[in-house]
Amino acid sequence: AQSVTQPDIHITVSEGASLELRCNYSYGATPYLFWYVQSPGQGLQLLLKYFSGDTLVQGIKGFEAEFKRSQSSFNLRKPSVHWSDAAEYFCAVAPSGGSYIPTFGRGTSLIVHP
Amino acid sequence: NAGVMQNPRHLVRRRGQEARLRCSPMKGHSHVYWYRQLPEEGLKFMVYLQKENIIDESGMPKERFSAEFPKEGPSILRIQQVVRGDSAAYFCASSPSSFQGPVLGNQPQHFGDGTRLSIL
Repeated sequence: AQSVTQPDIHITVSEGASLELRCNYSYGATPYLFWYVQSPGQGLQLLLKYFSGDTLVQGIKGFEAEFKRSQSSFNLRKPSVHWSDAAEYFCAVAPSGGSYIPTFGRGTSLIVHP
Repeated sequence: NAGVMQNPRHLVRRRGQEARLRCSPMKGHSHVYWYRQLPEEGLKFMVYLQKENIIDESGMPKERFSAEFPKEGPSILRIQQVVRGDSAAYFCASSPSSFQGPVLGNQPQHFGDGTRLSIL
């Protein structure tokens, strides 16, 4: 079975600073990988996904993520954070075969200081 | 094109009562997934349904919980005899039928805004 670890429960950055949210996964083969964002009181919105091919994927809202097979990581990055980026961020991994149902990390809460 | 609609947004029940959570998938979507989110935790998969069929209920508690997705109408997640530990946010996601897998070859699950269930 696959698993996801988001080691940082909270991250605080200043507006305009760069951001990197960490995600490590455990899976026997190359999985499908996702990053979602959740604003308070709302559901999850997909930021980006990786299925295959180019290991650097671009998403919405200026986010990108890089799949590193050797490190079993899929870290989310943004060069300049905006106050509206404050939210909960979830990394998810789904098997590339079988049930396809994703497993979510526990999330990282992003706090943005003015 | 309306997104995934969940209702109610908030539901309060007393211990021992029944809770019914509804999910209307996006138009054209015939796959529905239910997740539970406890405070400061990620989403935990509960059940995956297609129209009139339960495909995977491996994440569903064996007792008191049931789900259905009838031919007509929304998907229903039903919790009988609720207990305090059932307090959580319950999210529904949907995906279209024409993809290579439940996670969508190129079309991720679309999530609703959730139902916050509080047990008094």
